Parts: sequence; structure tokens; C-alpha cells
Amino acid sequence: EAGVVQSPRYKIIEKKQPVAFWCNPISGHNTLYWYLQNLGQGPELLIRYENEEAVDDSQLPKDRFSAERLKGVDSTLKIQPAELGDSAVYLCASSLNSLDTQYFGPGTRLTVL
Amino acid sequence: KQEVTQIPAALSVPEGENLVLNCSFTDSAIYNLQWFRQDPGKGLTSLLLIQSSQREQTSGRLNASLDKSSGRSTLYIAASQPGDSATYLCAVRMEYGNKLVFGAGTILRVKS
Repeated sequence: EAGVVQSPRYKIIEKKQPVAFWCNPISGHNTLYWYLQNLGQGPELLIRYENEEAVDDSQLPKDRFSAERLKGVDSTLKIQPAELGDSAVYLCASSLNSLDTQYFGPGTRLTVL
Repeated sequence: KQEVTQIPAALSVPEGENLVLNCSFTDSAIYNLQWFRQDPGKGLTSLLLIQSSQREQTSGRLNASLDKSSGRSTLYIAASQPGDSATYLCAVRMEYGNKLVFGAGTILRVKS
């Protein structure tokens, strides 16, 4: 069975440019998560989806970050405009439901120059 | 606000040694606690999950314990191998909000 798929794996952009990350969760998983992981730190939740609905986006910087999960399957996370401090690894995870074990993708490593 | 701390931040041991990684949390209102492994450039892999009503879980050479009242968990790795080299992350799921709160991790290096 395929795991959580993320693309791209690496992205280098200049500050003030837009960037988007894509996540395809495990088939049948209703809950999808986006995490931010800074170097030397644990992941921090940005947003959690239950099907199409964003049920916890309290940590998402809404002035520059946006996310969507159309049709309750794939999800995209966008940053516009990117800042130097956004350089980090962006992890996507999915689970059957919000109480079940989360399965993580390999992440997208973003470098903002 | 829940805070999760992992000690030590980094650990280097010779192959074959038994070792203990420590995790502490400030709010005991947890639903469960999970230990993850992260290899460089990879996502997180779940190793062990302990429900709040449980005291320990075992998988192969790994044993995780939980003392909810004191806010502590340990991950014991027996007979360490170079392939165990990775970052080990502890995460607690809160009773409220279903949120996972992670520690910063322990970087383990097992030398052959």
C-alpha cells in the first residue's frame, strides 16, 4: 500500500515568491494534517482537515499561508509571499480518523533565499 | 500549554549498548503518548504508542514506559545497532482537541 505522498521533495525560492506544496494521503484516510518542522525541532501542527473541513487552523499564519483540501482527498499548502523564516520542512500526515495513528510523508524541504 | 522536553538532545554510543531516551511533559491530561523515529530526509515512523491507561509497550528491542502522573516516558533500546541511528521524537496526544505535541527529539548515533 502506498504511503503519504508529497511533492516536491525540495524547493528553493527567493523571498517574496509564492510556493505550493502538494500532499496525497493514504487512501481512505479522512483526516489530513500539515506540520511545520524547523531544524532541530519537533513538528508543529499548522492545520488539520476532517474530510474537506479545516477543523483546526489556529496555528496557520493566515496572512501568508493558505491551504485547501478539495474533495476531501489531496491537499495543497501555499505560502504567498514567502519569507526567509519560512525555510523549514513541511510534513503532511494522514489518519483514518482524528484518534487513529498518523502516518507521515517524507516532507518538502523549503529553502527561502 | 503543553510542553514536551526530551533529554538528552544527542547521544552517541558504541554498538551493543543498552540505552534510555527520556521524555517529559507538563500537562498530564493526555490521551496517549507516541514514540517516533525520523531518518534524515525522511518522514516520521511510529515506533510505539502507549495509551494513557497503560504503563508500557514493547516491540522487539524497544520498550516504552509511561508514568502519566509524573509526566514522564522513557524509550529503552536494547543491544543497540548502527541501524538504530536516527532522531527519536516523543509526542503526546492531548485529551482535548486531538492535538499531537512533539518534543524536539534526541539524535542517536550508534557507532560500529
